[in-house]
Amino acid sequence: EAGVAQSPRYKIIEKRQSVAFWCNPISGHATLYWYQQILGQGPKLLIQFQNNGVVDDSQLPKDRFSAERLKGVDSTLKIQPAKLEDSAVYLCASSPAGVTDTQYFGPGTRLTVL
Amino acid sequence: GQNIDQPTEMTATEGAIVQINCTYQTSGFNGLFWYQQHAGEAPTFLSYNVLDGLEEKGRFSSFLSRSKGYSYLLLKELQMKDSASYLCAVNTGGFKTIFGAGTRLFVKA
Repeated sequence: EAGVAQSPRYKIIEKRQSVAFWCNPISGHATLYWYQQILGQGPKLLIQFQNNGVVDDSQLPKDRFSAERLKGVDSTLKIQPAKLEDSAVYLCASSPAGVTDTQYFGPGTRLTVL
Repeated sequence: GQNIDQPTEMTATEGAIVQINCTYQTSGFNGLFWYQQHAGEAPTFLSYNVLDGLEEKGRFSSFLSRSKGYSYLLLKELQMKDSASYLCAVNTGGFKTIFGAGTRLFVKA
Protein backbone atom coordinates (compact mmCIF):
# COMPACT_ATOMS: atom_id res chain seq x y z
CA GLU A 1 0.00 0.00 0.00
CA ALA A 2 1.43 3.35 -1.02
CA GLY A 3 1.88 5.88 1.76
CA VAL A 4 1.04 9.57 1.93
CA ALA A 5 2.93 11.48 -0.74
CA GLN A 6 4.02 15.10 -0.41
CA SER A 7 5.91 17.48 -2.61
CA PRO A 8 8.17 19.31 -2.67
CA ARG A 9 10.34 17.90 0.12
CA TYR A 10 12.24 21.14 0.60
CA LYS A 11 11.50 24.74 -0.31
CA ILE A 12 13.41 27.95 0.31
CA ILE A 13 11.70 31.27 -0.39
CA GLU A 14 12.05 34.88 0.61
CA LYS A 15 9.52 36.60 2.84
CA ARG A 16 6.48 37.98 1.07
CA GLN A 17 6.74 35.32 -1.65
CA SER A 18 4.10 32.66 -2.21
CA VAL A 19 4.45 28.90 -1.89
CA ALA A 20 2.25 25.86 -2.39
CA PHE A 21 2.49 22.33 -1.07
CA TRP A 22 0.82 19.23 -2.45
CA CYS A 23 -0.41 16.10 -0.70
CA ASN A 24 -1.79 12.82 -2.02
CA PRO A 25 -3.28 10.74 0.83
CA ILE A 26 -3.52 6.98 1.11
CA SER A 27 -6.12 5.67 -1.30
CA GLY A 28 -9.54 5.44 0.30
CA HIS A 29 -8.71 7.61 3.32
CA ALA A 30 -11.53 10.06 3.87
CA THR A 31 -9.80 12.35 6.36
CA LEU A 32 -6.83 14.56 5.45
CA TYR A 33 -4.87 16.78 7.81
CA TRP A 34 -2.30 19.54 7.36
CA TYR A 35 0.02 20.18 10.30
CA GLN A 36 2.72 22.76 10.94
CA GLN A 37 5.65 21.52 13.00
CA ILE A 38 8.16 24.09 14.18
CA LEU A 39 11.54 22.74 15.24
CA GLY A 40 11.38 21.27 18.75
CA GLN A 41 7.59 21.35 18.94
CA GLY A 42 4.79 18.90 18.30
CA PRO A 43 2.64 19.09 15.17
CA LYS A 44 -0.01 21.81 15.21
CA LEU A 45 -3.18 21.17 13.22
CA LEU A 46 -3.80 23.78 10.54
CA ILE A 47 -6.77 22.28 8.75
CA GLN A 48 -8.68 19.01 8.61
CA PHE A 49 -10.82 17.76 5.74
CA GLN A 50 -13.43 15.03 5.79
CA ASN A 51 -13.73 14.06 2.12
CA ASN A 52 -13.75 17.50 0.48
CA GLY A 53 -15.38 19.38 3.33
CA VAL A 54 -13.53 21.32 6.05
CA VAL A 55 -14.00 19.86 9.55
CA ASP A 56 -11.63 22.14 11.47
CA ASP A 57 -9.64 25.17 10.36
CA SER A 58 -9.68 27.06 13.65
CA GLN A 59 -5.87 27.38 13.79
CA LEU A 60 -5.33 28.25 10.14
CA PRO A 61 -4.09 31.86 9.69
CA LYS A 62 -6.67 32.61 7.06
CA ASP A 63 -5.22 35.98 6.11
CA ARG A 64 -2.27 34.19 4.50
CA PHE A 65 -2.93 30.45 4.46
CA SER A 66 -5.44 28.63 2.29
CA ALA A 67 -6.10 24.98 1.55
CA GLU A 68 -8.34 22.99 -0.67
CA ARG A 69 -9.14 19.37 -1.30
CA LEU A 70 -10.79 19.03 -4.64
CA LYS A 71 -12.77 15.85 -5.34
CA GLY A 72 -11.96 14.58 -1.86
CA VAL A 73 -8.53 13.22 -2.79
CA ASP A 74 -5.44 15.42 -3.32
CA SER A 75 -4.94 18.58 -1.35
CA THR A 76 -2.90 21.75 -1.67
CA LEU A 77 -1.83 24.17 1.06
CA LYS A 78 -0.81 27.68 0.04
CA ILE A 79 0.91 30.48 1.91
CA GLN A 80 0.67 33.98 0.47
CA PRO A 81 2.59 36.03 1.48
CA ALA A 82 5.08 34.06 3.57
CA LYS A 83 6.57 35.39 6.80
CA LEU A 84 9.79 34.43 8.55
CA GLU A 85 7.81 32.64 11.29
CA ASP A 86 6.29 30.30 8.69
CA SER A 87 9.62 28.43 8.54
CA ALA A 88 8.63 24.91 9.62
CA VAL A 89 7.92 21.42 8.39
CA TYR A 90 4.46 21.03 6.88
CA LEU A 91 3.11 17.56 7.43
CA CYS A 92 0.19 16.00 5.64
CA ALA A 93 -1.57 13.02 7.21
CA SER A 94 -4.55 10.90 6.31
CA SER A 95 -6.79 8.46 8.12
CA PRO A 96 -9.75 6.25 7.26
CA ALA A 97 -13.15 7.62 8.20
CA GLY A 98 -13.70 7.50 11.95
CA VAL A 99 -13.15 9.53 15.06
CA THR A 100 -10.36 7.45 16.57
CA ASP A 101 -8.45 6.40 13.49
CA THR A 102 -4.68 6.28 13.39
CA GLN A 103 -3.11 8.99 11.29
CA TYR A 104 -0.54 8.13 8.64
CA PHE A 105 1.93 10.89 7.92
CA GLY A 106 3.71 11.89 4.76
CA PRO A 107 7.44 12.78 4.75
CA GLY A 108 6.70 16.49 5.10
CA THR A 109 7.86 19.62 3.33
CA ARG A 110 10.59 21.62 5.04
CA LEU A 111 9.98 25.33 4.35
CA THR A 112 12.65 27.94 4.99
CA VAL A 113 11.62 31.58 4.70
CA LEU A 114 14.56 34.00 4.40
CA GLY B 1 -8.15 24.91 27.61
CA GLN B 2 -6.34 21.95 26.14
CA ASN B 3 -3.00 20.93 27.59
CA ILE B 4 -0.67 17.99 27.05
CA ASP B 5 2.57 17.80 29.06
CA GLN B 6 5.60 15.63 28.43
CA PRO B 7 9.22 15.92 29.59
CA THR B 8 11.33 17.72 27.01
CA GLU B 9 14.28 15.34 26.99
CA MET B 10 15.35 12.03 28.49
CA THR B 11 18.57 10.03 28.31
CA ALA B 12 18.87 6.29 28.84
CA THR B 13 21.41 3.54 28.30
CA GLU B 14 21.27 0.86 25.63
CA GLY B 15 19.60 -2.29 26.98
CA ALA B 16 17.83 -0.42 29.77
CA ILE B 17 14.12 0.39 30.33
CA VAL B 18 12.74 3.93 30.03
CA GLN B 19 9.31 5.34 30.87
CA ILE B 20 8.05 8.47 29.12
CA ASN B 21 5.15 10.15 30.90
CA CYS B 22 2.32 12.19 29.47
CA THR B 23 -0.35 14.11 31.38
CA TYR B 24 -3.29 15.74 29.71
CA GLN B 25 -6.15 18.10 30.43
CA THR B 26 -8.57 18.24 27.55
CA SER B 27 -12.21 19.14 27.04
CA GLY B 28 -12.97 15.65 25.79
CA PHE B 29 -11.29 12.28 25.52
CA ASN B 30 -11.76 9.55 22.94
CA GLY B 31 -8.33 7.94 23.13
CA LEU B 32 -4.60 8.54 23.42
CA PHE B 33 -1.94 7.90 20.79
CA TRP B 34 1.81 7.56 20.98
CA TYR B 35 3.86 8.32 17.88
CA GLN B 36 7.59 7.97 17.25
CA GLN B 37 9.39 10.60 15.20
CA HIS B 38 13.02 10.24 14.15
CA ALA B 39 14.87 13.45 13.38
CA GLY B 40 13.91 14.80 9.99
CA GLU B 41 11.21 12.19 9.47
CA ALA B 42 7.44 12.01 9.81
CA PRO B 43 5.73 10.62 12.93
CA THR B 44 4.83 6.94 12.85
CA PHE B 45 2.14 5.25 14.93
CA LEU B 46 3.19 3.25 18.00
CA SER B 47 0.11 2.67 20.12
CA TYR B 48 -3.44 3.66 20.90
CA ASN B 49 -5.18 3.43 24.30
CA VAL B 50 -8.86 4.07 24.85
CA LEU B 51 -9.45 2.01 28.01
CA ASP B 52 -7.52 2.09 31.30
CA GLY B 53 -4.66 -0.32 31.62
CA LEU B 54 -1.53 -1.52 29.91
CA GLU B 55 -1.24 -2.40 26.23
CA GLU B 56 1.86 -4.39 25.32
CA LYS B 57 3.33 -4.61 21.86
CA GLY B 58 6.78 -6.17 21.69
CA ARG B 59 9.38 -3.98 23.37
CA PHE B 60 6.91 -1.10 23.66
CA SER B 61 4.01 -0.85 26.13
CA SER B 62 1.58 1.97 26.76
CA PHE B 63 -0.47 2.65 29.89
CA LEU B 64 -3.53 4.82 30.39
CA SER B 65 -5.38 6.12 33.43
CA ARG B 66 -8.32 8.23 32.32
CA SER B 67 -9.26 9.28 35.85
CA LYS B 68 -5.79 10.72 36.38
CA GLY B 69 -5.35 12.13 32.86
CA TYR B 70 -2.11 10.19 32.64
CA SER B 71 -0.33 7.89 30.24
CA TYR B 72 3.13 6.49 29.87
CA LEU B 73 5.11 4.78 27.14
CA LEU B 74 7.49 2.07 28.34
CA LEU B 75 10.40 1.07 26.16
CA LYS B 76 12.30 -2.09 27.12
CA GLU B 77 15.67 -3.41 25.96
CA LEU B 78 16.55 -0.03 24.53
CA GLN B 79 18.40 0.06 21.24
CA MET B 80 20.32 2.92 19.66
CA LYS B 81 17.65 3.16 16.95
CA ASP B 82 15.11 4.09 19.64
CA SER B 83 16.71 7.53 19.83
CA ALA B 84 13.85 9.71 18.59
CA SER B 85 11.09 12.03 19.73
CA TYR B 86 8.00 10.43 21.23
CA LEU B 87 4.76 12.32 20.76
CA CYS B 88 1.72 11.91 22.99
CA ALA B 89 -1.54 12.86 21.24
CA VAL B 90 -5.10 12.96 22.56
CA ASN B 91 -8.21 12.52 20.46
CA THR B 92 -10.60 14.95 22.09
CA GLY B 93 -13.62 13.94 20.06
CA GLY B 94 -15.22 15.61 17.08
CA PHE B 95 -12.43 14.37 14.81
CA LYS B 96 -9.87 16.47 16.70
CA THR B 97 -6.46 15.20 17.85
CA ILE B 98 -4.06 17.38 19.82
CA PHE B 99 -0.33 16.65 19.97
CA GLY B 100 2.06 17.29 22.83
CA ALA B 101 5.44 18.89 22.16
CA GLY B 102 7.18 15.52 22.30
CA THR B 103 9.93 13.98 24.40
CA ARG B 104 13.37 13.65 22.83
CA LEU B 105 14.95 10.37 23.92
CA PHE B 106 18.70 9.90 23.63
CA VAL B 107 19.97 6.35 23.92
CA LYS B 108 23.67 6.09 24.78
CA ALA B 109 25.96 3.11 24.53
